[in-house]
Amino acid sequence: GQQLNQSPQSMFIQEGEDVSMNCTSSSIFNTWLWYKQDPGEGPVLLIALYKAGELTSNGRLTAQFGITRKDSFLNISASIPSDVGIYFCAGLGNQFYFGTGTSLTVIP
Amino acid sequence: DGGITQSPKYLFRKEGQNVTLSCEQNLNHDAMYWYRQDPGQGLRLIYYSQIVNDFQKGDIAEGYSVSREKKESFPLTVTSAQKNPTAFYLCASREGGYNEQFFGPGTRLTVL
Repeated sequence: GQQLNQSPQSMFIQEGEDVSMNCTSSSIFNTWLWYKQDPGEGPVLLIALYKAGELTSNGRLTAQFGITRKDSFLNISASIPSDVGIYFCAGLGNQFYFGTGTSLTVIP
Repeated sequence: DGGITQSPKYLFRKEGQNVTLSCEQNLNHDAMYWYRQDPGQGLRLIYYSQIVNDFQKGDIAEGYSVSREKKESFPLTVTSAQKNPTAFYLCASREGGYNEQFFGPGTRLTVL
């Protein structure tokens, strides 16, 4: 099955900095989802996007559904230590496809 | 409290043994899914079910089996035919007509 290209693979940032990550696909999707996963736990849904060009926020998180419907972006503003974890994207075509994840480390 | 539960959290099995992972949801969701997660890889779909008494193979179904006798339950059996079963297994569900998928807390299976 298809796996989405997600970058960067890992990030080490100072507390207070902004973070950007993205996912790209070779296929068009109807929906993009962004999740956060803590080690040994299940993923938690952060943001859902339903149409091309859509920009949606959830607190300090903002995500965008790319115009081409083949990509999506997640931004985290003013990072804090509890933002640490793995973030991954999911795109819905005929089934869900997942990115390989971005590991975020926030240095206090 | 509505949600998805998976049990057990950790499971150890000897080679050659079958083992069943439990997944229960009280969200009244129609569709349920099983994924496997390995380090450095995206989630891979094992099986999914859109209604009771029906299920479909995903991308990596070989060595696994499922049943969907009740709407709220979707157990996964890892058989001895699965060549590399050690992994983190995630169950998910989705309400019919909606595109948001929610995950359980996962079961880590280790084959000794």
